[in-house]
Amino acid sequence: SYELTQPPSVSVSPGQTARITCSGDALPKKYTYWYQQKSGQAPVLVIYEDNKRPSGIPERFTGSNSGTMATLTISGAQVEDEADYYCYSTVNETTQGVFGGGTKLTVL
Amino acid sequence: EVQLVESGGGFIQAGRSLRLSCTTFGFTSGDFALSWFRQAPGKGLEWVGFIRNKPYGGTPEYAASVKGRFSISRDDSKSVAYLVMNSLKSEDTGVYYCARDRVFMVRGVDYYYMDAWGKGTTVTVSS
Repeated sequence: SYELTQPPSVSVSPGQTARITCSGDALPKKYTYWYQQKSGQAPVLVIYEDNKRPSGIPERFTGSNSGTMATLTISGAQVEDEADYYCYSTVNETTQGVFGGGTKLTVL
Repeated sequence: EVQLVESGGGFIQAGRSLRLSCTTFGFTSGDFALSWFRQAPGKGLEWVGFIRNKPYGGTPEYAASVKGRFSISRDDSKSVAYLVMNSLKSEDTGVYYCARDRVFMVRGVDYYYMDAWGKGTTVTVSS
């Protein structure tokens, strides 16, 4: 089965760089997407097609995809960036996609 | 402003059926595929299914966990997508989200990702 693996948690102090990884065997052939979900809220797309930022997403959010690992980097993380982050990748024409298990980012 | 609003959630006994609606605002729903996701309490996101828009056939696809029990349809004249859930089980409990999908093609295959989400509606199935 197609799986994406994320660390359960990442913790940084305000102003530091947070890196959240997502690993999967099929990632070299697929785009990775990143979603931010704050407590009790709907997910928000923060990175699409590996490294593109939707309008309105701060520049401190960047994405990269290298081989079997994709990384979401938050440079100068802020308290308001505390959230669960999910990576997502497409699968095929009949299975839309899969999510990683999510990473809880703590900024304090 | 792009908005998706889910409705129809609630408490329901196992074995019964429920219909969720996803009403869209701020864009032409017929121009996009629409998908459904769910999140069990304290758990991660799970894809439930999606429905293509008419130019791509208008057909649905489902996750293995719900195939045969859930069905997705759409009425673009009302800007609404529906998720009908039959034979509900306690493990179907969670927040159900709908999302708008972007499509892109790679080597003749269409792929989808979600660029806007609704706030979700809660379904609680009691056994």
